[in-house]
Order: sequence, then structure tokens, then C-alpha cells
Amino acid sequence: SYELTQPLSVSVALGQTARITCGGNNIGSKNVHWYHQKPGQAPVLVLYRDSHRPSGIPERFSGSNSGSTATLTISRAQAGDEADYYCQVWDTSTVVFGTGTKVTVL
Amino acid sequence: EVQLVQSGAEVKKPGESLKISCKASGYSFTTYWIGWVRQMPGKGLDWMGIIYPADSDTRYSPSFQGQVTISADKSISTAYLQWSSLKASDTAMYYCARRGFGEVDAYHIWGQGTMVTVSS
Repeated sequence: SYELTQPLSVSVALGQTARITCGGNNIGSKNVHWYHQKPGQAPVLVLYRDSHRPSGIPERFSGSNSGSTATLTISRAQAGDEADYYCQVWDTSTVVFGTGTKVTVL
Repeated sequence: EVQLVQSGAEVKKPGESLKISCKASGYSFTTYWIGWVRQMPGKGLDWMGIIYPADSDTRYSPSFQGQVTISADKSISTAYLQWSSLKASDTAMYYCARRGFGEVDAYHIWGQGTMVTVSS
């Protein structure tokens, strides 16, 4: 079955840039979606189809996807960006979520 | 406003049955697929399956096939997730979510979650 691998944690200084990777076999050929989830809350979509932002998501969130790695970039990180982040793809009509990355803003 | 509102928390004993719900509002319920996602305590997201309310076409993750039943009642814009015999390992938060239009689209709208606790 298809697997998506994310780093367990990423730390970023306030105002700096965080990059969260999502690795998968030939993931560049798939549409990658990203969610964040704050403690006690439901997941929220932050990027869809690699790099598109839903309404209400700041421009500080951007994405790329090529080869075997998709990347979510958070620019000018804020304290409110602290959350768990999950990537997601569809593979043979099945949803696959990444392992999740805890982002800490220092 | 587009919303998915889920039923409240449940505490059940092993072997009991359960059906939780996800009521949609603010859009045409039959137009979008609705999925279910499990999150065990302290763990990540597990996709369970998806249903198209217009005709109840349902797909299951191999991990959940035969373990749960997903259904929908389009007359009341509500999707369901049910178990016939709960296990302690079913203890988790369960989310419903609405997929975008495309076949490989994201889940744009999420319910608030339903916590299910199974304990003797």
C-alpha cells in the first residue's frame, strides 16, 4: 500500500520559515493536500492540489511537489501556526494520510 | 454557511452497537462525497471510507472493510457511521468531512468530531 512519510517534528523561530516534507513514491505525479490540526480541534485544510490555498488561509502558506517529495512552506511563522500538519493523497481510490508533523514555533 | 455537525460523544461497552451521525447544511447534500476519518488518542489520521449521498455509492479502506458500515439518508442530509459490535480498540475521535468536486480532491469541510469511548 502507498505510504507517506513526514518528519515527526519541525521547529521554527518566530518570524522565520518552516518547511514540512511529505515523501512518497513518485508523489510528484499526485495531487497533494495539506491539513493542520490544533489540539482538541478538527483538521483544517491549508493547501489543496499541491499549492492552492482555500479562502482564509494566509499567503504565508505555500506548497510544492516534485519527484518523491512534496513540501509545505510556512513563511514568517507565527505562534498560531503551532499545530500538527498532515499531507494527504489519493492512491487507487483510497485516501492516504501522512504520518503527521508537529510544528513548534520557538 | 456550509457545515457538518456531528452527533455527541458516546460511551459504550464492548460488544454494543453504535451509529453516529454527520448532518450537512448550507449546500446540496447529494452533490459531494462525504468521508469518515478515525483518529485514535494521540495518533494520526486514518481514512475509513467515503459515500456519495446521491446514490449511496460507498467505498471502504481495506483496513475498515467489514468492520464498519457507512450510510446516508439524503432526505435529512445526514451521513452515518455504524458498528455492530464495538471493541475497545474502536475508542477514537471520528470525523466526517466533505470532499471537493474532483475525484482526487481534498476534504475542504470537516465536522467537529465525535468521540467514541469503548470500555467495560
